[in-house]
Amino acid sequence: DSGVTQTPKHLITATGQRVTLRCSPRSGDLSVYWYQQSLDQGLQFLIQYYNGEERAKGNILERFSAQQFPDLHSELNLSSLELGDSALYFCASSTGDSNQPQHFGDGTRLSIL
Amino acid sequence: GQNIDQPTEMTATEGAIVQINCTYQTSGFNGLFWYQQHAGEAPTFLSYNVLDGLEEKGRFSSFLSRSKGYSYLLLKELQMKDSASYLCAVRASGGSYIPTFGRGTSLIVHP
Repeated sequence: DSGVTQTPKHLITATGQRVTLRCSPRSGDLSVYWYQQSLDQGLQFLIQYYNGEERAKGNILERFSAQQFPDLHSELNLSSLELGDSALYFCASSTGDSNQPQHFGDGTRLSIL
Repeated sequence: GQNIDQPTEMTATEGAIVQINCTYQTSGFNGLFWYQQHAGEAPTFLSYNVLDGLEEKGRFSSFLSRSKGYSYLLLKELQMKDSASYLCAVRASGGSYIPTFGRGTSLIVHP
């Protein structure tokens, strides 16, 4: 158990819809990262938050947004969903120190029909 | 940017030793991580190298050569449960310290 909690585990929805994925980091971790993993793309970094502030952005689409709340949990919002958004979405957390590893949640499997 | 190369797939026999290689090109280097990921599950942290040399952790060891842009993960006494994908992730110096992940090496351990 990594200590990172993601909900829901599975999500099935239709094209054009909007969903919210939730993540609670490990106790004591200030940094939260979101990743997308699909079969043909590997693990792609989307966005990082540190103590409530956006710190880094990766390959995140404009249709996607995220935030980190004062209690440090984070939400990833995906809108105008397309078939190609079907993937595993992982949240990871770390202390934020450069030599510390990321600890990953179990992921949310998003299926777009 | 960064470029990370790993073999796509490897097979090995239970009880044997296997070495999974990772080569990288990066502008500045600030650490290399290895993660294990079983199908449909979360990546789990295995090792971290920032200086040249070998880091040993039980059955798993990881080696780094910064001058060659090269690392390997060595798995000894292979068990069936070691069948998984092994991800190499490189952190560049400067900026946000976000590691870039390779596509992973799928290891199949057979009896």
